[in-house]
This record gives sequence, C-alpha cells and structure tokens, in this order.
Amino acid sequence: SAVISQKPSRDICQRGTSLTIQCQVDSQVTMMFWYRQQPGQSLTLIATANQGSEATYESGFVIDKFPISRPNLTFSTLTVSNMSPEDSSIYLCSVVTAGGTWEQYFGPGTRLTVT
Amino acid sequence: EDQVTQSPEALRLQEGESSSLNCSYTVSGLRGLFWYRQDPGKGPEFLFTLYSAGEEKEKERLKATLTKKESFLHITAPKPEDSATYLCAVQASETSGSRLTFGEGTQLTVNP
Repeated sequence: SAVISQKPSRDICQRGTSLTIQCQVDSQVTMMFWYRQQPGQSLTLIATANQGSEATYESGFVIDKFPISRPNLTFSTLTVSNMSPEDSSIYLCSVVTAGGTWEQYFGPGTRLTVT
Repeated sequence: EDQVTQSPEALRLQEGESSSLNCSYTVSGLRGLFWYRQDPGKGPEFLFTLYSAGEEKEKERLKATLTKKESFLHITAPKPEDSATYLCAVQASETSGSRLTFGEGTQLTVNP
C-alpha cells in the first residue's frame, strides 16, 4: 500500500473562486486519479493524472473546470475553478502502486463547501 | 457501460448477527472486483480484490466471494466497530488505465 496525504483536509470557499487541492504519496506510484464524492453519493472518477502530460478526463469533466497537474511520480494537484455550490463535494485522490496488482488506495479526502 | 448495483442500501444488525451484502455487476470483461470500507469523513479503505469467479478472500470477520455476476461480502458475528459504508467497485479489462466504477454502497450499522 501507500501513505497518501491531501491538503487541505477541508475548506469553505465563496462562489466564483478557485481552490487547489494537493495529493502527496510517500512512494512512487504508477497511476494517480482524482475522484469526486457528492453528498450521500458514491465515487465518480474525474480524471487520470498523467505524469508530465495532460490529464485524461472522464465524460462530463473538462480541463477548464478541473485542471490537474502531476509533475512527478509522487505528487498531483487538482484545481476546482470558478466554483459554484454544486461543486460542494469530497475530492479524493487515489493511487495504484507498482507491483503488478490493480489495487487502488485512497487519500483521506478534501471536503469542499462552496457558499 | 459498466454498472454496479449494491444491496441493500442500508442494513442494521445486532452485534453477533451475521449477514451478507450483495454487489451485482455488469462489465465487459472483469479485470477485478474491489471491496472498500468507508467511515464518515474519511477516504475509502481497501479491503479485498477478487479476480475470478470462485475466488474467496477473508479478513477477520469479513469474507468476500465472487461469481460471474455478483459478489458477496459476508460479515460473521459483527461488532459495532464494523459499522461503516461498504463500497464495491469493478475494473474492466478493456478499460484504459485502471478506472473503477463504484456502486452506491451499503451503509451498515451494528448495534451493541
């Protein structure tokens, strides 16, 4: 497994502003992902963070709204841009570690409230 | 399109009362089925991966099984600390990368 940290753990933001969430892993990982969990719902994949290149976004998510960076094998950021109350969710990063299995491990999440 | 359906949505048990959670799935070639536990305000905690029909895995009071259409998470003699939301997810072998498709979860409450 891997130890994954996220910053901030929670934030309250005003509509129209942007927030950048950081994900740090204690070891090199093969893949990193960003998920969203809206209140009372399950997890939805936003995008795969690719090292050194543009992220791969799922249907319904666009780069202008959720820009993602992954400068190296242990770090990624997700920005939620021009926020509205509908963006209030828990944002989670997950990783797949090297070793041949496909298991994904999740960070503790960032709870975002947009007022 | 990959689909995962979990039942029941919520389950209340008395301490020691064994039961099972169900995860039905439709996927174009299963690479793996994953079970997670999620406590309120926390990220999902990995429990098990199952790769092929007939496979079983155990961890303490939990046992996961897999068929070609569904998976069960059996909870034997549960304790209050087993209270959590249990999530099931599938990964398709034809999907690029390692995308997981999650079910809506089963919220388990174990009363002392």
